[in-house]
Amino acid sequence: GNSVTQMEGPVTLSEEAFLTINCTYTATGYPSLFWYVQYPGEGLQLLLKATKADDKGSNKGFEATYRKETTSFHLEKGSVQVSDSAVYFCALSATSGSRLTFGEGTQLTVNP
Amino acid sequence: DTGVSQNPRHKITKRGQNVTFRCDPISEHNRLYWYRQTLGQGPEFLTYFQNEAQLEKSRLLSDRFSAERPKGSFSTLEIQRTEQGDSAMYLCASSPQGAGGYTFGSGTRLTVV
Repeated sequence: GNSVTQMEGPVTLSEEAFLTINCTYTATGYPSLFWYVQYPGEGLQLLLKATKADDKGSNKGFEATYRKETTSFHLEKGSVQVSDSAVYFCALSATSGSRLTFGEGTQLTVNP
Repeated sequence: DTGVSQNPRHKITKRGQNVTFRCDPISEHNRLYWYRQTLGQGPEFLTYFQNEAQLEKSRLLSDRFSAERPKGSFSTLEIQRTEQGDSAMYLCASSPQGAGGYTFGSGTRLTVV
C-alpha cells in the first residue's frame, strides 16, 4: 500500500537558519504530493503541493520538489522564523481526489 | 465562503455514551473526508463521500462508527458506545471534483473519560 516516511523530530533551529525536513514515499503510479502545516490546537493548512515529477511547489518561502527517481519530496526553507514553529506533515494522494496518506509529522521549533 | 466548519470544537464524554460530530464542507466541494488524529501522529483516513455516496471506508472504522452525508452537503460522524481509545482529534476535509486541494476544518477534539 501507499506510505509516507518523514524524518524523525523534533527539530529545533535558531531564527534565520536553513530548514530541511525529509520526506520519502511509497506508491504505485504517479501520486500527488503535499506538505501540510498544523499549528497548536488547529486543523491542517495546505502549505504547498506538486502533482507530477520535477514539479516544484512553493509558498511563504517554503519549497519542495517532486523527485520520482528518489521518491522524495523534501521541504526546505532558506531562513526560518519563530512563526514557522508548528508540526509539518508530508502526504500523498494516489489519484486526484482520493484519500490522503500522511507521514507521522515533524515538530519544528524556531527559537529567537 | 467560510471554509470547512466542524462542530463542536471540543467534546468530553463518558465511556459508553454516544457522540455525534458535524462537518460543513465548502459549498461547491462534492468530496468530503473524515480523518482521525491521535497525539503525535499523522491523520488516519476513516471514510470518504462523493456527494451523498460513501465510497470508501477504512478498516479503522469499526461497527461503532457510522458516517452520513444525507443530502450531499453536511456530514455527521457518530461514535456509539465510546471507548477511551476513541479519544482523538476528528478532522473533516473537503475537495472539489478533479485536481483540487483538500481543505481541512479545525477538527473536533474528543475526550472519553
